[in-house]
Parts: sequence; structure tokens; C-alpha cells
Amino acid sequence: DTEVTQTPKHLVMGMTNKKSLKCEQHMGHRAMYWYKQKAKKPPELMFVYSYEKLSINESVPSRFSPECPNSSLLNLHLHALQPEDSALYLCASSQALANKETQYFGPGTRLLVL
Amino acid sequence: GQNIDQPTEMTATEGAIVQINCTYQTSGFNGLFWYQQHAGEAPTFLSYNVLDGLEEKGRFSSFLSRSKGYSYLLLKELQMKDSASYLCAVRRTGGFKTIFGAGTRLFVKA
Repeated sequence: DTEVTQTPKHLVMGMTNKKSLKCEQHMGHRAMYWYKQKAKKPPELMFVYSYEKLSINESVPSRFSPECPNSSLLNLHLHALQPEDSALYLCASSQALANKETQYFGPGTRLLVL
Repeated sequence: GQNIDQPTEMTATEGAIVQINCTYQTSGFNGLFWYQQHAGEAPTFLSYNVLDGLEEKGRFSSFLSRSKGYSYLLLKELQMKDSASYLCAVRRTGGFKTIFGAGTRLFVKA
């Protein structure tokens, strides 16, 4: 099983709304990530959790708040977003064994902020 | 600093072989990923190289030269479904930070 699942697939929200994106994996991966991807651009790293602790925050605005309730789940809480935050939000997880590493992405949540 | 370069676009013919190059400069290298991304979809993991050399996986192979800061993805027996963007991404040492190149859009024509 190499599946990372994300919900919802699509989300439309106003600038005053609060919403959450959810991500789940059951591969036993101990690193989980949030990326943001704008059209025709590569993914940009936002946050990394390692062993359920926040390891990297790429100077992301506080209107994005990550949470890792357990080793299989990753959430991204959204509040007071701006229209320029509209993008594809990708969750990923990874595992490193010897000299091999795999990093799998979920299908993403396509977010539109009005 | 960090810099990852890939060609913006490439075109190849069905059944042929294509090589997509990636050069990188980074302080602290801990491996290089290749991903395939079809329009409107998430990236799909293709390969990871941390040691020099060629790794083959079916029709796709990936090569790394750490001393040259260079990698390539080789696609053989091209199929129309291989038309996609191919992303090179560098893993930095000391954590899980992965930086992506801008991607190469590959068009496979009949």
C-alpha cells in the first residue's frame, strides 16, 4: 500500500471562514509534509512533521496551522485566508531505509479562496 | 544557496528514448528524487538516488553524479501517456527539506 489520502478533494471558502484539510497514510512513514502548488509551478514545502513533532516551518503565515494528531494523520487548519492562497495543497509522507527513500504524495486538495 | 536547473520543455517521438537532465547546486546534499506529474494531478514518485550510478526500474532509469551535481532521468520506449511534467527534487542534509526544480514538460508525439 503506497497510498496517501486527502480530504476534501475540492474546497471553496471565503476569507472569513475556518476550514481544515486532512491527510492520512498507513505506510508507517514517520515523516509527513504539507506542500503548496500553484499552477505551472513546482510544489513548495510548507511544513514537515517528523515523529509527530513539527520539524520544519518554511516561514508560512500563521493563517495556516498544521497539526499532527498521531503518526498516521496530518491536518492543516485554515483561517482568514487570502485569494492568493488559492492553490493545490499536497500532503506527502516519506520513509528512509538504508540508502533508499520513498516519498509519496496524496491526490491533493484544490482550494479556492473567494 | 540552492539552485536546480532542468530544461523547460522537451519533445520526443513515441517509441524513442529521451533523457531529461537536472543540475543542482546545494549546500548539503542528501539525495535526489524524480517525480512525474500529469496536468491536474499530484506528483508520482519515480526514483531516489543518493549514491553515484544508474538505477533502472522498468522503462525508467535515473542516474546521479554527486561530484558533478548532475542527474538524469532516462525514459525508454516512450508512450503517449508519458507526456507529463518531470520534476527533479533535491533533499538537503540535516532534515527533511526537499527543494523542487521548476520541472520539464515532456511532449510525446506519434
